[in-house]
Amino acid sequence: EVQLVESGGGLVQPGGSLRLSCSASGFTFSSYAMHWVRQAPGKGLEYISAITPNGGNAHYAESMKGRFTISRDNSKNTLYLQMSTLRAEDTAIYYCAKEDGGHTQIDYWGQGTLVTVSS
Amino acid sequence: DVVMTQSPLSLPVTLGQPASISCRSSQSLVYSDGNTYLNWFQQRPGQSPRRLIYKVSNRDSGVPDRFSGSGSGTDFTLKISRVEAEDVGFYYCMQGTHWPPTFGQGTKVEIK
Repeated sequence: EVQLVESGGGLVQPGGSLRLSCSASGFTFSSYAMHWVRQAPGKGLEYISAITPNGGNAHYAESMKGRFTISRDNSKNTLYLQMSTLRAEDTAIYYCAKEDGGHTQIDYWGQGTLVTVSS
Repeated sequence: DVVMTQSPLSLPVTLGQPASISCRSSQSLVYSDGNTYLNWFQQRPGQSPRRLIYKVSNRDSGVPDRFSGSGSGTDFTLKISRVEAEDVGFYYCMQGTHWPPTFGQGTKVEIK
């Protein structure tokens, strides 16, 4: 059974940094591209970033470039999202997601981790 | 970015009746390989999204056959043949043909 478990969310002050983790199991992690998507409270889904199976290439939505960095450690079956210079509008549930078959064909989502940016 | 426009944004439905959600894209979603990378996701209250349909009309494993997807080019539809109580929630279309991937605004399905 595919499982994606995010962690690392919490309360952070504006301008602060946070690193989210996503622990994967139930599939060969190193064979699949992975993604991050977020959802502000009461809002829709917003795409953040993707990383190739070997971690060699990362891609970002334009509005996410510069402050967000996606990475992965295939030896630990873990996906990461490093976030910096956080703003109130970054407050959201952050989901990691697994792709199957290219072209952001997301087939599984984690349960999400809540990031709250507030003083 | 490709803009995905869903309608309606709110859909009150009587149990056992059909429901239909439209999703229109600002550009054709046909990729050069001939595939159309249009997915539909369901998000029940308090849960993470779950994929229902991939590549326009392919139902995921375990998804009831009352859900169906159709369409082509820039115009797509998700249909529920007979709405059940467990279908309450938000539904999102998402395109993966063009970078970056983009989602529709979401359609809230509720029981009348």
